[in-house]
Amino acid sequence: NAGVTQTPKFQVLKTGQSMTLQCAQDMNHEYMSWYRQDPGMGLRLIHYSVGAGITDQGEVPNGYNVSRSTTEDFPLRLLSAAPSQTSVYFCASSFQGLGANVLTFGAGSRLTVL
Amino acid sequence: AQTVTQSQPEMSVQEAETVTLSCTYDTSESDYYLFWYKQPPSRQMILVIRQEAYKQQNATENRFSVNFQKAAKSFSLKISDSQLGDAAMYFCAYRSASYGGSQGNLIFGKGTKLSVKP
Repeated sequence: NAGVTQTPKFQVLKTGQSMTLQCAQDMNHEYMSWYRQDPGMGLRLIHYSVGAGITDQGEVPNGYNVSRSTTEDFPLRLLSAAPSQTSVYFCASSFQGLGANVLTFGAGSRLTVL
Repeated sequence: AQTVTQSQPEMSVQEAETVTLSCTYDTSESDYYLFWYKQPPSRQMILVIRQEAYKQQNATENRFSVNFQKAAKSFSLKISDSQLGDAAMYFCAYRSASYGGSQGNLIFGKGTKLSVKP
C-alpha cells in the first residue's frame, strides 16, 4: 500500500518553462488536492477534486492547471513557471463523505524557479 | 469563510517538560473537525491528533492532548514529557463536516515551530 506518491521530489526550472507535478494514490480516495507551502504562510490550497472529471479552484489557483481523468491520478501543471511559484508542493487525498476523513499527504515536491 | 490562527510563530521547551501550542479558529458552522499536524525536517505531514466538534471530550493520543473550547473557538495542543523528536513545525487545521464540494478542504494555520532543548 503506497498511499500518496508524488514525483518528482525536487525540480529546478527556469522562468517560463512548463512542468507537471505528478500525484497518484492507491486508496480509492474520491477527494484529492494540491497545497503549496511557503515560509510563514502555512499550507494554502491550489486546486482540489472530488472525483474523476471534477476539479475546482482553491485559494491560490493562478498559474496552475489540473485535471482528473482517473480516480488515482491528479497532476498539477505549471504552464509558464515564475519565481513566485518557488515552493514546496503537497498532494493530499481522502475519502469524500461524512465522518472525520483524515487527509493522507504525499512526501512533498520542492520546486525552485530561477 | 473559515480561518485558523496560530499566534505563536516559535516556541521552545525543555526536554521532559510540558508545552502548549495555541490555535484559534473562526467559523459559523456547528459541525467540523480540527486537527494538529506535525512536520519534521523531513517535511512529511504527520497527523498528531484530531477532534470532532460534536464531541465534548478532549482527544488524547499518548503524550499529546488537546484543550477544545468550542464556544471560545480555541483548540490548543499540549505535549507532555517533551522529547527531542517532538521538535518540528506544528500546524493546526480545520475541516468542515459538511458533505461534498469545497467543504472537504483543509484550512491551515501558519504554523508554530517547536524547539526542544536537551
